[in-house]
Amino acid sequence: QTVVTQEPSFSVSPGGTVTLTCGLSSGSVSTSYYASWHQQTPGQAPRTLIYRTTTRSSGVPDRFSGSILGNKAALTITGAQADDESNYYCVLYMGSGSWVFGGGTKLTVL
Amino acid sequence: QVQLVESGGNVVQPGGSLRLSCAASGFTFSAYGMHWVRQAPGKGLEWVAVISYDGSTKYHADSVKGRFTISRDNSKNTLYLEMKSLRAEDTAEYYCAKDVDMWGNGWFPIGNWGQGGLVTVSS
Repeated sequence: QTVVTQEPSFSVSPGGTVTLTCGLSSGSVSTSYYASWHQQTPGQAPRTLIYRTTTRSSGVPDRFSGSILGNKAALTITGAQADDESNYYCVLYMGSGSWVFGGGTKLTVL
Repeated sequence: QVQLVESGGNVVQPGGSLRLSCAASGFTFSAYGMHWVRQAPGKGLEWVAVISYDGSTKYHADSVKGRFTISRDNSKNTLYLEMKSLRAEDTAEYYCAKDVDMWGNGWFPIGNWGQGGLVTVSS
């Protein structure tokens, strides 16, 4: 079974830019995988940031952006803020109604 | 605004059954596909199941196939997850979630999340 891969952890300085990625254990991610990104702080429900690779969800600041970088989906945070410190999960559509989440990236802002 | 409220979470013995409900409001429930996603304590998110806007199409993750069934009652604006033959590894927070767009048949991504309901499988 194909595994969705994410960096386990990442750190960024306040005001800095960070790019998190979402790949496949076998193959390349394209727009056909409808990549989505969800933010979750401990004890809270997830919140959708980006869907269909590049579309920002309503109310999400434009410093969050999605793209395809090489063979992976990517989430870029420009001008990181302290409250961006969260876990970030990508999810990919595998076809036949099946969705698979990555293991998540714990982002630290310091 | 969109509200999704899960209920029915409980402590259940291994091998037991439970039904989760998700009451939806703030949008036209019958026009949107819906998902269940779970999160074991201290772990990441795991997609569980999706159902089309009209209930005609359903998909389940391999880890729950044959044991869990997603369903909906559009007259009651409610989503369900029927869980049978529960195992310790099914212990998790269960979130219901709404598609981003109308008329989804399983391949629309998640746009909104509920607050979750806890299911604990333990003797």
